[in-house]
Amino acid sequence: QVTLKESGPALVKPTQTLTLTCTISGFSLSTSGMRVCWIRQPPGKALEWLARIDWDDVKFYSASLKTRLTISKDTSKNQVVLTMTNMDPVDTATYYCARLTSDVFTGSWYFDPWGQGTLVTVSS
Amino acid sequence: EIVLTQSPGTLSLSPGERATLSCRASQSINSIFLAWYQQKPGQAPRLLIYGASRRATGIPDRFSGSGSGTDFTLTISRLEPEDFAVYYCQQYGSSPPLSFGGGTKVEI
Repeated sequence: QVTLKESGPALVKPTQTLTLTCTISGFSLSTSGMRVCWIRQPPGKALEWLARIDWDDVKFYSASLKTRLTISKDTSKNQVVLTMTNMDPVDTATYYCARLTSDVFTGSWYFDPWGQGTLVTVSS
Repeated sequence: EIVLTQSPGTLSLSPGERATLSCRASQSINSIFLAWYQQKPGQAPRLLIYGASRRATGIPDRFSGSGSGTDFTLTISRLEPEDFAVYYCQQYGSSPPLSFGGGTKVEI
């Protein structure tokens, strides 16, 4: 069974750096074709894609947040880590990690499964 | 960047009724890269449809997806009480960024 679980601080202060960890089970980050993304959702608002890391360490970032984000992986721990610098109250959101899957038969791409999410509040 | 616009923002219906949700892209996208998700309060999104029209594993056949180019539709043929939720469309291009729509809330 494939599962992802996010962990990190529930509260950070403005200007601090946020570090979130996504712990994966059921597949290996080192397996060809594996891709994991971070997505966030402010309370009552829509989903926003943040970053992606592939099995071969290729990385992609949201253009609007690129200067603040770093995604990395630790294959020995099967974890993906996201850091976001200079946190602001507008960054208050539930942060999700999800596997980006490509269907070999259709060529489709989609997120499945998702972690349960972790709520991060930015406040002094 | 491709922008996805979902309409309506809120859909007020009763159990047993048909729900039709729209997702319009700012430019044409390959339908294989269009997915739909359901999100209930306090839960993570769940994959419903991928490739615009293919149901994910375990998704009831009352859910169907259609469309091409810039216009895509999610249809719930007969609403069950557990279907009242927020629905998001999402597109993935040949390279990031990918994007989500703003969501449609289906409420009783």
